[in-house]
Amino acid sequence: AQSVAQPEDQVNVAEGNPLTVKCTYSVSGNPYLFWYVQYPNRGLQFLLKYITGDNLVKGSYGFEAEFNKSQTSFHLKKPSALVSDSALYFCAVRDRDTNAGKSTFGDGTTLTVKP
Amino acid sequence: NAGVTQTPKFQVLKTGQSMTLQCAQDMNHNSMYWYRQDPGMGLRLIYYSASEGTTDKGEVPNGYNVSRLNKREFSLRLESAAPSQTSVYFCASSESWLAGETQYFGPGTRLLVL
Repeated sequence: AQSVAQPEDQVNVAEGNPLTVKCTYSVSGNPYLFWYVQYPNRGLQFLLKYITGDNLVKGSYGFEAEFNKSQTSFHLKKPSALVSDSALYFCAVRDRDTNAGKSTFGDGTTLTVKP
Repeated sequence: NAGVTQTPKFQVLKTGQSMTLQCAQDMNHNSMYWYRQDPGMGLRLIYYSASEGTTDKGEVPNGYNVSRLNKREFSLRLESAAPSQTSVYFCASSESWLAGETQYFGPGTRLLVL
């Protein structure tokens, strides 16, 4: 079984400040981890993913995420937030050991960046 | 490339009516998925098609059927709509069923069942 937890429903930051959106996961085997972003009335867009290798993954729009196996976390970060980053963010996990394409998504975190 | 397209964008149904949600992708992807998104519940997998000619149940398949019409198209059918099926439905595709593949999502269909 696999699961994802996004412990914060809402994250508020000021423009120019660093932002973190938290994600923890549970999976029987080893994980593949993904971050997606959803803007209002739009579908999900891929931001970044961790497959193997470097624990720090860089993605679109200046976002990055760090895979921490001991803490089973994959937090999304950005050094300097923009108002345009305001959106709904989803973390997702897949089980690398079964190599199956079934994703489990978190409930989402709404990020609001204020000017 | 249009990516993943979905029709209709919005639909209102009465309880007991039927309808089919259409999805098409032009990326030559092998795998396709249907999800529903409900407030505060993330995305839940309804059905998926790992490759052309195959379909399988996901997490919440009851009340739905699917057809993988060809490599491009994957439709979702509600035979007898219920208010509990009011949701936003997303179609997605990926190059293969392998766990490391990125999914690409359509813009969604908002369904209201009265």
